[in-house]
Amino acid sequence: EAQVTQNPRYLITVTGKKLTVTCSQNMNHEYMSWYRQDPGLGLRQIYYSMNVEVTDKGDVPEGYKVSRKEKRNFPLILESPSPNQTSLYFCASSFTTGRGLKQYFGPGTRLTVT
Amino acid sequence: DAKTTQPPSMDCAEGRAANLPCNHSTISGNEYVYWYRQIHSQGPQYIIHGLKNNETNEMASLIITEDRKSSTLILPHATLRDTAVYYCIVRVDVGSARQLTFGSGTQLTVLP
Repeated sequence: EAQVTQNPRYLITVTGKKLTVTCSQNMNHEYMSWYRQDPGLGLRQIYYSMNVEVTDKGDVPEGYKVSRKEKRNFPLILESPSPNQTSLYFCASSFTTGRGLKQYFGPGTRLTVT
Repeated sequence: DAKTTQPPSMDCAEGRAANLPCNHSTISGNEYVYWYRQIHSQGPQYIIHGLKNNETNEMASLIITEDRKSSTLILPHATLRDTAVYYCIVRVDVGSARQLTFGSGTQLTVLP
C-alpha cells in the first residue's frame, strides 16, 4: 500500500531536549516536505527536499533541521525544542515531474513541548 | 499562485450531493485547480485536480467554468465520513518548491 508514515504519532517533551520525528514513504517520490499546522494559521511549510541530499527552507524553518540521506526518509530534527514548536506536524511526498501536485500526506505527529 | 475564495462552512444531508464552490477569478492560463480535504486532524488527502475540462474520479467530480474563474467540487452521494475541511488550491503544475498553500477551506458537515 502506498503510504507516508510518521513516528511518533504523539510526543510530549520538555524544552531543550533534542528530538527527531521520522518520515518515510514507499512510493519512490523525489519530493518530500514537512508542514506544521496551528489553529488559525493553517498549514505552513517548514522544509522541503527535491531529492537525496537536496533540502531547502520553507516558510517557517527556524528551530528545525532536516536531512535527506536516503530517498525514502526525511526526518525532522528539533535540536532544542521550545513551547512555540508545540504543533501538529505533517510530512508529505510527491513526484517532481509529470504528475502534478498530488501530494501524499502522513497521518501527523502531535508534539507538545512543555 | 492565484488567490481562492471558499465559503467557510456548508452543510449537506447524508446521501445527497455536496457541491462545494471555489472562486479563483485571477487564475492564469497555466494554473491548475486542485482539491484536497482534511478530516479532523488527519493528514490532508488529495481528491482531484483539473485545468479546464471537467474531471471525475472515484471520489468526486470537478466542474470548472468556461472562463475558469470558478469551480465546483461535487461529492455525488455524501456520507458522514465526508465531513471534513475542503481546500481549493490553484497553482501552476511545475515549480521547484511544489509547496501547497492551504487557505482556510470550507468545513463541510454531512448531517444524518
